[in-house]
Amino acid sequence: GAVVSQHPSRVICKSGTSVKIECRSLDFQATTMFWYRQFPKQSLMLMATSNEGSKATYEQGVEKDKFLINHASLTLSTLTVTSAHPEDSSFYICSARVRASNYGYTFGSGTRLTVV
Amino acid sequence: DAKTTQPPSMDCAEGRAANLPCNHSTISGNEYVYWYRQIHSQGPQYIIHGLKNNETNEMASLIITEDRKSSTLILPHATLRDTAVYYCIVREGGNQFYFGTGTSLTVIP
Repeated sequence: GAVVSQHPSRVICKSGTSVKIECRSLDFQATTMFWYRQFPKQSLMLMATSNEGSKATYEQGVEKDKFLINHASLTLSTLTVTSAHPEDSSFYICSARVRASNYGYTFGSGTRLTVV
Repeated sequence: DAKTTQPPSMDCAEGRAANLPCNHSTISGNEYVYWYRQIHSQGPQYIIHGLKNNETNEMASLIITEDRKSSTLILPHATLRDTAVYYCIVREGGNQFYFGTGTSLTVIP
């Protein structure tokens, strides 16, 4: 089945630094990927839609200059949290839609970001 | 915005069927009903989806009412590993998934 690999699974960074999270589709091509954020004991919140070869579409209230998304190939999307602050500490999850499939999306295993 | 309503929590005895309800009274004709679950600190896992007809796979059954305004996910023989948050999502094909608050299912030994 379709597998999405997310890396790293955990990362700790200092306040003010930037962190990059990778999301790869391992056995399929994904023209569209999605990035979610999840705070403790809350549901997943869609942050942005990443489209291969074009600019990402951000949900209302999400700062595009802070959360940089790059989808340069059909198998890789990256999320960079720039100038991270403790309030950016969260669980970040990506998902990808298998082309020509109505079987929903496949989700990565998530990245736990802690900003100290 | 999420278009579904689910009870916040449920308990189920191990080995018994778990029936998780979902209300989606504003569903449109082109929207599918999807169910995902999330085990603590993991990414959501696809369970099942349907449009109008009831569906069954190796994990669960999905019962959709005739008016499509509600559905029920059935885990026929719940195990401890089924303890998770279950999300019911309605979505038109190709569009984004917006998650609601889900139902936290606890399977009790």
